[in-house]
Amino acid sequence: GAGVSQSPSNKVTEKGKDVELRCDPISGHTALYWYRQRLGQGLEFLIYFQGNSAPDKSGLPSDRFSAERTGESVSTLTIQRTQQEDSAVYLCASSLLPGNYEQYFGPGTRLTVT
Amino acid sequence: GENVEQHPSTLSVQEGDSAVIKCTYSDSASNYFPWYKQELGKGPQLIIDIRSNVGEKKDQRIAVTLNKTAKHFSLHITETQPEDSAVYFCAAIPGNQFYFGTGTSLTVIP
Repeated sequence: GAGVSQSPSNKVTEKGKDVELRCDPISGHTALYWYRQRLGQGLEFLIYFQGNSAPDKSGLPSDRFSAERTGESVSTLTIQRTQQEDSAVYLCASSLLPGNYEQYFGPGTRLTVT
Repeated sequence: GENVEQHPSTLSVQEGDSAVIKCTYSDSASNYFPWYKQELGKGPQLIIDIRSNVGEKKDQRIAVTLNKTAKHFSLHITETQPEDSAVYFCAAIPGNQFYFGTGTSLTVIP
């Protein structure tokens, strides 16, 4: 498909386990963003990539969160030792370039930590 | 950093009436202001945007106005329809990062 895809769509994990969330951006988009959206809340910026580099990691809530991007394409957001407060929808978006360009969002991964 | 405030948080209108959502921002460097619509269980989708060199933009029933002096911008939806029911987010972009408002849940009552 031509849009942003994310997998899995839903993930239920036990507290303390590690999880990996995947994002496949639109082909050719150099910028990739990760956001967290708690139930009924707005979008909380986590990190963005320009190419394979992450110029701004300021939104990552703790050192349990990390992300990488390879081949200027797929990105993985990893949460180690998950906590119940990590439960949220994790959204990925990509844009042609960083900044003043439309961000195209994926459908999100709903993470539930039990 | 940029701070975006959005009001109201919830809005109910009768079908056919207009809806207005307002946002303010703090960083005068912001020069791009998109509006996104998020339907239940889906990712946000751009519905309209405006850049700082323009005061108003319209696309069918949707319009956005920007007042750079006052640092506020608004979304106007006319002749609302039930399918307009969703959560709407504004954003301001001063550099490479999007700063989103907290969202407005719009309900259009048939």
